[in-house]
Amino acid sequence: KAGVTQTPRYLIKTRGQQVTLSCSPISGHRSVSWYQQTPGQGLQFLFEYFSETQRNKGNFPGRFSGRQFSNSRSEMNVSTLELGDSALYLCASSLSQGTYEQYFGPGTRLTVT
Amino acid sequence: GEDVEQSLFLSVREGDSSVINCTYTDSSSTYLYWYKQEPGAGLQLLTYIFSNMDMKQDQRLTVLLNKKDKHLSLRIADTQTGDSAIYFCAESMRSGSARQLTFGSGTQLTVLP
Repeated sequence: KAGVTQTPRYLIKTRGQQVTLSCSPISGHRSVSWYQQTPGQGLQFLFEYFSETQRNKGNFPGRFSGRQFSNSRSEMNVSTLELGDSALYLCASSLSQGTYEQYFGPGTRLTVT
Repeated sequence: GEDVEQSLFLSVREGDSSVINCTYTDSSSTYLYWYKQEPGAGLQLLTYIFSNMDMKQDQRLTVLLNKKDKHLSLRIADTQTGDSAIYFCAESMRSGSARQLTFGSGTQLTVLP
């Protein structure tokens, strides 16, 4: 069974631009969570989607948004990029709401210049 | 509040046992996890323990949980150079946010030949 896939793997953007990252969960998994990893703040929870609905949101500004499609694939969007948004963005999938095993993808490395 | 703490570095000789420690503050945590991250990669779920368990063993990995002291440890037997990586401890809370993981800062394990 294929793992969690994230595209693109690397991205370079300029301050003020916007970016969309994509995540395809493991086949059959319906829940997707997003995390931001930076050297300074570590791993921080962004949001979680299940059945196309955002179920939980971390403490991030409104510039960070996401959505989930009927096939469970998810996208996250960051608008008006800031230098501090440079990070590894990780997506995790799990079977369903309440399932305790989360499997992570390889991440998208975003660099904002 | 939620806070997970780990020591930053651990160095061991190949063949020795490694013990990585973690403390957490949220007594309502349902599951506690250990993830491994190799350079340039996402997070690999190593093992997890339910909060009503004291110990879990999985091949070379042993997880010990002391709920009274809110202390979690991961023991890697017969540590190999391929075990060199960053190890993250994480907790998730009961209900609603069941899949929101709160991570420690990670412990860099270096295995010396």
